Amino acid sequence: GNSVTQMEGPVTLSEEAFLTINCTYTATGYPSPFWYVQYPGEGLQLLLKATKADDKGSNKGFEATYRKETTSFHLEKGSVQVSDSAVYFCALRNYGGSQGNLIFGKGTKLSVKP
Amino acid sequence: DAGVIQSPRHEVTEMGQEVTLRCKPISGHNSLFWYRQTMMRGLELLIYFNNNVPIDDSGMPEDRFSAKMPNASFSTLKIQPSEPRDSAVYFCASRDSEAFFGQGTRLTVV
Repeated sequence: GNSVTQMEGPVTLSEEAFLTINCTYTATGYPSPFWYVQYPGEGLQLLLKATKADDKGSNKGFEATYRKETTSFHLEKGSVQVSDSAVYFCALRNYGGSQGNLIFGKGTKLSVKP
Repeated sequence: DAGVIQSPRHEVTEMGQEVTLRCKPISGHNSLFWYRQTMMRGLELLIYFNNNVPIDDSGMPEDRFSAKMPNASFSTLKIQPSEPRDSAVYFCASRDSEAFFGQGTRLTVV
């Protein structure tokens, strides 16, 4: 079946540190990966996405490249800020598979210290 | 558009009571999802609708849970009777090319 595996947290970094959150998936059909972010007390918001292999999604200084050969979509940011503290979810939408819904990873909590 | 609107934001109820959570999706979105989020299990898909029809309800934990979508602009998730283990944050999301989430309903069953 389809599944998403992301790095377990929590992750604690100092401001301006480099961030990587790993995400890999298994899927049949034509998967399309996403990253969502959840700030404290809020719902999930789309952070970035990719629609085809080797696409790079980017937003708010975050980037992720859809690597079909390694079935990965790792999230990176060169210099994190305190305001980036949140829970990050990798997700997959699988076109052509038996499900039309988004499959989410378990989330990675990021805390950035000043 | 105001986004996906959920109500109430917070609900505290006694065990055994009926609870109804409400969701208004973004106008024009054909798909609607109900998720439950807990510390232990993370984000779980309960059910999703496409064009108001339930497509996959395999995530609904048991018969105490039911969901309806009587029209394109409204959905409910009902728990009857509620139990303390149902305490969680319940999210509704609607989708066109990407999913948009409501702010959630924090349910506490005491």
